[in-house]
Amino acid sequence: DSGVTQTPKHLITATGQRVTLRCSPRSGDLSVYWYQQSLDQGLQFLIQYYNGEERAKGNILERFSAQQFPDLHSELNLSSLELGDSALYFCASSAPNSPLHFGNGTRLTVT
Amino acid sequence: GESVGLHLPTLSVQEGDNSIINCAYSNSASDYFIWYKQESGKGPQFIIDIRSNMDKRQGQRVTVLLNKTVKHLSLQIAATQPGDSAVYFCAETLNTGTASKLTFGTGTRLQVTL
Repeated sequence: DSGVTQTPKHLITATGQRVTLRCSPRSGDLSVYWYQQSLDQGLQFLIQYYNGEERAKGNILERFSAQQFPDLHSELNLSSLELGDSALYFCASSAPNSPLHFGNGTRLTVT
Repeated sequence: GESVGLHLPTLSVQEGDNSIINCAYSNSASDYFIWYKQESGKGPQFIIDIRSNMDKRQGQRVTVLLNKTVKHLSLQIAATQPGDSAVYFCAETLNTGTASKLTFGTGTRLQVTL
């Protein structure tokens, strides 16, 4: 168990809808990262937050947004969903200069 | 669980043999490298890391080798077991303290045969 908790485990929704994925980092970790994993793209970095502030941005679509709250949990919001957004979404957390530890992901299916 | 990367390169090894998984990284400025193991239906699990000031690091049954000259990383697993079957990813980063996003390789599927 990595100590990173993601909910929900599975999410099925229709095109055009909006969903929110939730992540609780490991105790004490200030950094939270979001990654997308699809069959043909591997693990793609989306965004990183450190202690509530955005720290790095990757290939995140404008339809997607994230935030990190004062209690350090994070949410990833996906809107105007398209079929191509179906993927596994992983959250990871870390301490400075330490490896990332990943949760078990949320599997999003857009129909 | 869902299969990841159905078209990944696959390495098949017999139980008890040693496995070597290779990775070419992209950024010559990267200074921190990590190997992750991903089992079906789970998130990537940290195996071992190495910093750029080292060329070899050993863990329990695993060894990582780093060749910065040719930007190559390898993971050696000794006495491979069925539980080692998974997809293995190398990841690189330019470690800037609080902003250290990882860039992942495409992954290699390890299949352990009995």
